[in-house]
Amino acid sequence: EAGVVQSPRYKIIEKKQPVAFWCNPISGHNTLYWYLQNLGQGPELLIRYENEEAVDDSQLPKDRFSAERLKGVDSTLKIQPAELGDSAVYLCASSLGLGTAGTEAFFGQGTRLTVV
Amino acid sequence: GDSVTQMEGPVTLSEEAFLTINCTYTATGYPSLFWYVQYPGEGLQLLLKATKADDKGSNKGFEATYRKETTSFHLEKGSVQVSDSAVYFCALSVVDSSYKLIFGSGTRLLVRP
Repeated sequence: EAGVVQSPRYKIIEKKQPVAFWCNPISGHNTLYWYLQNLGQGPELLIRYENEEAVDDSQLPKDRFSAERLKGVDSTLKIQPAELGDSAVYLCASSLGLGTAGTEAFFGQGTRLTVV
Repeated sequence: GDSVTQMEGPVTLSEEAFLTINCTYTATGYPSLFWYVQYPGEGLQLLLKATKADDKGSNKGFEATYRKETTSFHLEKGSVQVSDSAVYFCALSVVDSSYKLIFGSGTRLLVRP
């Protein structure tokens, strides 16, 4: 079974340009997460989807970041315009629906963004 | 709010040494606890987990026991190998209306031959 697939793996853009990341979760997983991982730090949640509904986007900087999960499957995270401080690894993860203790989240390999 | 605190790295050990990576947590509810590992160039993957007090999670020779009284979930391995070199993340989740998976800052382990 395929895991969580993210693309691209690496992206280098100039500041003020837009950028988009794509994520395909594990089939059947209702919950999808986007995390931000700065160098030397743990992942921090940006947004969580239950099916196509964004149920927790409190940490998403909405002035420049947006996300969507059409049809409750694939998801796209966009930054427009990108700033130097956005350089980081963007992780996508998926899991079965919440409500069960110990539910495991499966992570993609991430997209490493460098803004120059 | 809910949080996870891990010992800072890097931790450098010789092969076959004993490993302990400390992790403590703060949670308003009753959390499940996890250890994730990130090998170089790869994504995070679950190493082990525990869902209630006194549970012991184990995998690949690693163990961690859920200690509610000390709010800890320390990771241990009796004999590390070079292939264990990676970054280890302690995490928690609470099953409530604001379900989140919250991570510590990670501890880098380097095992030398």
